[in-house]
Amino acid sequence: DGGITQSPKYLFRKEGQNVTLSCEQNLNHDAMYWYRQDPGQGLRLIYYSQIVNDFQKGDIAEGYSVSREKKESFPLTVTSAQKNPTAFYLCASSIGELAGIQYFGAGTRLSVL
Amino acid sequence: GQQLNQSPQSMFIQEGEDVSMNCTSSSIFNTWLWYKQDPGEGPVLLIALYKAGELTSNGRLTAQFGITRKDSFLNISASIPSDVGIYFCAGGHGSSNTGKLIFGQGTTLQVKP
Repeated sequence: DGGITQSPKYLFRKEGQNVTLSCEQNLNHDAMYWYRQDPGQGLRLIYYSQIVNDFQKGDIAEGYSVSREKKESFPLTVTSAQKNPTAFYLCASSIGELAGIQYFGAGTRLSVL
Repeated sequence: GQQLNQSPQSMFIQEGEDVSMNCTSSSIFNTWLWYKQDPGEGPVLLIALYKAGELTSNGRLTAQFGITRKDSFLNISASIPSDVGIYFCAGGHGSSNTGKLIFGQGTTLQVKP
């Protein structure tokens, strides 16, 4: 089955630690996105990538980093510089055409110990 | 970043009732999408709209692309308990060539059996 796989489902971070969230897709989509979701708020864009080896900052990129070495993979690192990392993180992908439909993974819930 | 105004923020209704929610923006969009998110999961696409004035149905769901291109509406008829969740609207400009979407803050729907 084609889809987007995020792992782990739950993740705990200690203070000062970097953690990496995995996102893999087998839809052959060019574009991939990372969003942060806080209770009562919509989805806020962290980073996005339209093509391999290229990515752009979204609205709340500070404290996060990404890489796009393969078309299928777009991992997100939450660095120690992100002082309020507790949130639900969603990865999405799209074919990449103008304003195309984005398909989402099941999310990773990150909490701070 | 730019945001959509989605209302109402939450709804608590009786099973069998009809539901209406809407999104408005100060900007014009070329695409309107409606997603549903179940607790602890990623959003799933319900309806996609690509043309001003377009009215599209998906089972008990009906959505419309506002004629001004600055708003969209979602109606759910004869609600059932599995309609519970958060409904998001998303708008795409199409002209920026990034595939980015702007999301509303969500409408939380609760259905009483």
